[in-house]
This record gives sequence, structure tokens and C-alpha cells, in this order.
Amino acid sequence: DAGITQSPRHKVTETGTPVTLRCHQTENHRYMYWYRQDPGHGLRLIHYSYGVKDTDKGEVSDGYSVSRSKTEDFLLTLESATSSQTSVYFCAIGWARGESGYTFGSGTRLTVV
Amino acid sequence: SQQGEEDPQALSIQEGENATMNCSYKTSINNLQWYRQNSGRGLVHLILIRSNEREKHSGRLRVTLDTSKKSSSLLITASRAADTASYFCATAHYGQNFVFGPGTRLSVLP
Repeated sequence: DAGITQSPRHKVTETGTPVTLRCHQTENHRYMYWYRQDPGHGLRLIHYSYGVKDTDKGEVSDGYSVSRSKTEDFLLTLESATSSQTSVYFCAIGWARGESGYTFGSGTRLTVV
Repeated sequence: SQQGEEDPQALSIQEGENATMNCSYKTSINNLQWYRQNSGRGLVHLILIRSNEREKHSGRLRVTLDTSKKSSSLLITASRAADTASYFCATAHYGQNFVFGPGTRLSVLP
């Protein structure tokens, strides 16, 4: 989607290995979000950021960490990937928390084998 | 839970018909949004409706919000095959993050 890109688009990794997903925006939005999407669950918030170096946990944050060293980049790290983290991961950006529509990236399909 | 629940889970209609999807939630909210997701793609924002609004329109889309019933509906008029997608509602209390429901899968048959 325009203004937000995720990389990689697809990744297969082995259990126990670290994995980092990247979200890059060119819109200068303050808020950035990481969601995972699994069948029957909709989108669940993992972590979000409200500024450089300002992050907070979402509802399913266990096993994940994030970093935001620049306004435009928000990284999601799986320190030691597990099969339960096989999912599609979406990054989103927004102007204000709970007040404006989000723009979503195209997603990263992660498979942990 | 604040999470909205869409209903029905799946809906199949013929091209040209109207499609109605509903979202119900349990606690009071400040804002509610609807999104569309085509297969294999990210979510696309459709409409945001605030708790003091009752109806909003965007092209062939109409969203209503009934805070007394804690429910919202998304109406797509004169549906097209290209409207085939999953539709999600997301709700938020003031100053909090949006929480997404599990979605409705809409199939529009030619």
C-alpha cells in the first residue's frame, strides 16, 4: 500500500531461530502497529509505537519485541521463533490512537517449521 | 470485551444485490471503523463513524451506528464481483487502540 511497506513478504524459518520483520513508512505518522492475523481470530495487536523509542504491548505480545529508532521504521522481532508464531503479520500506521483510520501494509507471511 | 463481532461469518449474494453485515460490541465505544480485506492483501479503511454519528455514506457504502443497541451495520448496495472480500469492524474507546472483530467473508457471485 502507498506509503507503507513491509519486508520480507514471505519467510520460512526454523523453530528457535530469531526473526525480524520490518515496517517502513513514508507518511510521517506518529503511531505504528504490529498485528498478527490467524483464521477465526481476526487481527490481534502485538505491539504498537507512539513515537521514536516509545512502544507498548498489545494483547498478544509474549515472544515478541519491537524497536523504533526512527519515525519511519518499526521492527518486530521474534527472539526464538515457535510454530505457534506461524501467521500473517501486518503493520499499520495511523495519526491518532483510536481516532483515525489506519493504513495497512501488504503483510508478511511467516512460517515456522 | 470491547471487541466487535461481525455477523454473519459468511455471506453469499448475487451481483447487483445488496449486502448487509452487522457488528455488535459489548461496551460503550468512541469510534467504530469498517475495513475491507481482499484475499492475500492488507486491510483497506472504508469508513470511520463516531459515537455521536448515526449514519455515514461513501459511494455505495452506508454505515449506521446504534449506540443504544451497541451495533453497527455496513450496507453495500448494488454489489459487484470486485466486492468479494472479508469485512472487519474495529471499535475503540476514547484514547485506546482499535480492536478488530473476526470478520465477515462476502462472496459476490456473477
